[in-house]
Amino acid sequence: KNEVEQSPQNLTAQEGEFITINCSYSVGISALHWLQQHPGGGIVSLFMLSSGKKKHGRLIATINIQEKHSSLHITASHPRDSAVYICAVWPNTGNQFYFGTGTSLTVIP
Amino acid sequence: NAGVTQTPKFQVLKTGQSMTLQCAQDMNHEYMSWYRQDPGMGLRLIHYSVGAGITDQGEVPNGYNVSRSTTEDFPLRLLSAAPSQTSVYFCASSPTGRYGYTFGSGTRLTVV
Repeated sequence: KNEVEQSPQNLTAQEGEFITINCSYSVGISALHWLQQHPGGGIVSLFMLSSGKKKHGRLIATINIQEKHSSLHITASHPRDSAVYICAVWPNTGNQFYFGTGTSLTVIP
Repeated sequence: NAGVTQTPKFQVLKTGQSMTLQCAQDMNHEYMSWYRQDPGMGLRLIHYSVGAGITDQGEVPNGYNVSRSTTEDFPLRLLSAAPSQTSVYFCASSPTGRYGYTFGSGTRLTVV
């Protein structure tokens, strides 16, 4: 049983396209994180959300607590956005993350 | 630079050997954790600690030991390496566990 589901698993886009990655979860949460991992690289935290919407540069993250769903949007995508994007939730009860398996994004010039 | 430092970056072990993966942070974070990352399975929690002297098991603890004698250090010990432990290992720290995560750069371990 996977508490966190991401879609799509793989995504290829042309440079400049608008990209959406989705995350659905099945437990009540106190926080949701979006993480970024470049090929062969470490993991960086992009956003932490508990409600609403956050924006950082070309990246926008939204969360709907009632629907147990979050989206990560990338506007004007660029080849340097090519990475694996991971959704992670911190449940209301418990003290560890549940992770999605990641969405592998490739942006072609 | 402040952050989480993991060593080594790469390691090849023979089956049955033991080794310790080091993790150190200089941000005075109470919460530290070890994950393994395998293709198609995402990150899985091995062990975690909520403060010095306190550790607990995660989802996949078998074959691994940890200790937390100081706030800064959280080493992961492989007792008798097995090919199933071939993976990429990440250490992470956080002030409280729920937010503010910083990940180390990872250790790629191969057991032959």
